[in-house]
Amino acid sequence: QKEVEQDPGPLSVPEGAIVSLNCTYSNSAFQYFMWYRQYSRKGPELLMYTYSSGNKEDGRFTAQVDKSSKYISLFIRDSQPSDSATYLCAMNPSGAGSYQLTFGKGTKLSVIP
Amino acid sequence: DSGVTQTPKHLITATGQRVTLRCSPRSGDLSVYWYQQSLDQGLQFLIQYYNGEERAKGNILERFSAQQFPDLHSELNLSSLELGDSALYFCASSGDRYEQYFGPGTRLTVT
Repeated sequence: QKEVEQDPGPLSVPEGAIVSLNCTYSNSAFQYFMWYRQYSRKGPELLMYTYSSGNKEDGRFTAQVDKSSKYISLFIRDSQPSDSATYLCAMNPSGAGSYQLTFGKGTKLSVIP
Repeated sequence: DSGVTQTPKHLITATGQRVTLRCSPRSGDLSVYWYQQSLDQGLQFLIQYYNGEERAKGNILERFSAQQFPDLHSELNLSSLELGDSALYFCASSGDRYEQYFGPGTRLTVT
């Protein structure tokens, strides 16, 4: 079993839809959870960052972490064609020096005008 | 723009050769990380340096090595290249928090 599982999609939605992206993980030591957006042939761009369980909202984006289920989500409201990209979840454990990120393989999202 | 720079953008070389990829972190960031992204494996952590010292190692091949210099820029050296080393190589940097900021990447093609 991979440490982080993410449905690769592709996921295609109409403009204005609510998008739900998810990852599951197996390592209970993971404490920090991030979502990155990657446009084709570009570097990953940090979107959201949360610690432990709970919700975090930033504009149209909401990140949720459920540590009891080892499940994290990213919601995008009022999706736009410019949101079309690959979304990567990433996580790492707490503790000094344990900063390496473990990534999901990414979900490719297309928002259709 | 993340503030992390990488050169070159694209590199084409032959099997058996050696290449060096360069990364400059965001101003003030002491940590540099190297990742490899391939279609089948996704983004894989290779190695981390913190203020000139190796801090963590991931799935880095023995043919690969890295270093971080006093001015905090880092280089990733890839030797005895094989076709399977063709991938995107990303550098990321971080300060005293867990968020990592990625550069634009170097696309390596081994022919």
